[in-house]
Amino acid sequence: EVQLQESGPGLVKPSQSLSLTCSVTGYSITSNYWGWIRKFPGNKMEWMGYISYSGSTSYNPSLKSRISITRDTSKNQFFLQLNSVTTEDTATYYCARGRGFDYWGQGVMVTVSS
Amino acid sequence: IQLTQSPSLLSASVGDRVTLSCKGSQNINNYLAWYQQKLGEAPKLLIYNTNSLQTGIPSRFSGSGSGTDYTLTISSLQPEDVATYFCYQYNNGLTFGSGTKLEIK
Repeated sequence: EVQLQESGPGLVKPSQSLSLTCSVTGYSITSNYWGWIRKFPGNKMEWMGYISYSGSTSYNPSLKSRISITRDTSKNQFFLQLNSVTTEDTATYYCARGRGFDYWGQGVMVTVSS
Repeated sequence: IQLTQSPSLLSASVGDRVTLSCKGSQNINNYLAWYQQKLGEAPKLLIYNTNSLQTGIPSRFSGSGSGTDYTLTISSLQPEDVATYFCYQYNNGLTFGSGTKLEIK
């Protein structure tokens, strides 16, 4: 069974970088696409970006200057880095498989606050 | 493409036929999916490509639509269907709707 699990700090200070890991079991990240989505307080959902089976990436234009998605195929993990965070980046962050997001992690709540 | 979901809150009785709407600002070309998110859980894919039922999803869920207008229908509402439902388009960029919260009356 495909399972995804996010991990990372729940609190980040403004202007710092947010770094999260998605660990995947039951499926190789060298197949398919692997994305990050976030859900803001108030329910708005935003696709942030994805990394493909080949390692190519695509990002939401609204985040393009601040976001980086990378991977470690030996550990079957992929990573999110979001730079220069503000309080508006406070959200629950999810990783998911595919561009249709058929499998999701449980999500990790990240608060940006000093 | 912007997606507008309506209503934002829907209250219905067990057994009711329920219809949720998702309208795009441009033609979506049937590249539309629906997700269900229960409180404290990850979103679950229900429908993809407008009307294809994801494996394991009960047949009371169905999707339809074309162009800019799409619908998720629950043929007979069950108590376990209480959740927020999101539509999502992958025709031009990747965007989500604002969600419809479904409650039992």
